[in-house]
Amino acid sequence: GAVVSQHPSRVICKSGTSVKIECRSLDFQATTMFWYRQFPKQSLMLMATSNEGSKATYEQGVEKDKFLINHASLTLSTLTVTSAHPEDSSFYICSAHQGWDEKLFFGSGTQLSVL
Amino acid sequence: EDKVVQSPLSLVVHEGDTVTLNCSYEVTNFRSLLWYKQEKKAPTFLFMLTSSGIEKKSGRLSSILDKKELFSILNITATQTGDSAVYLCAVENRDDKIIFGKGTRLHILP
Repeated sequence: GAVVSQHPSRVICKSGTSVKIECRSLDFQATTMFWYRQFPKQSLMLMATSNEGSKATYEQGVEKDKFLINHASLTLSTLTVTSAHPEDSSFYICSAHQGWDEKLFFGSGTQLSVL
Repeated sequence: EDKVVQSPLSLVVHEGDTVTLNCSYEVTNFRSLLWYKQEKKAPTFLFMLTSSGIEKKSGRLSSILDKKELFSILNITATQTGDSAVYLCAVENRDDKIIFGKGTRLHILP
């Protein structure tokens, strides 16, 4: 079955640094991937839709210069949190679907802690 | 290897029926089990379960966790067409990892 791999699973960084999170579809091509942010006991908040070969579509209120998304191939999307601040500390999750089916497959998430 | 298995993969029932969705898991350092409803791109949080035997309820939806047998069920009573969605089960472990099941696609016929 479809597998989505996300790395790293946890990262701790200093304020002001940039952090890159990778999301890979391992056994299928994903023209579209989604990036979410999750707060404890809450729904996944969609941040942006990553489209292979084109610019990402950001949800309202999400700073595109802060959260850089690159979807350079059909199996890899990256989210870079630039100049991270403590308020960016959160759990970030990616998902992808196979195009012909709306069912989503999720990565295992990245816990970001900014000191 | 950590895994979450949901069953059935797909379910079609008539409006008014009651459905039970299953989620079994094998996860090291279990912390919590979560249920989500996925209709579009962003799944909606339904329940978070951490203790065995305590039923969580929200309207027509309820869920319970059995940490001894390593499974959870999600019940929906008096189903409505608006309940049609993919229901996702996920398990968090103490290493800050979340493992999603493949979901149960529920379709409610009017």
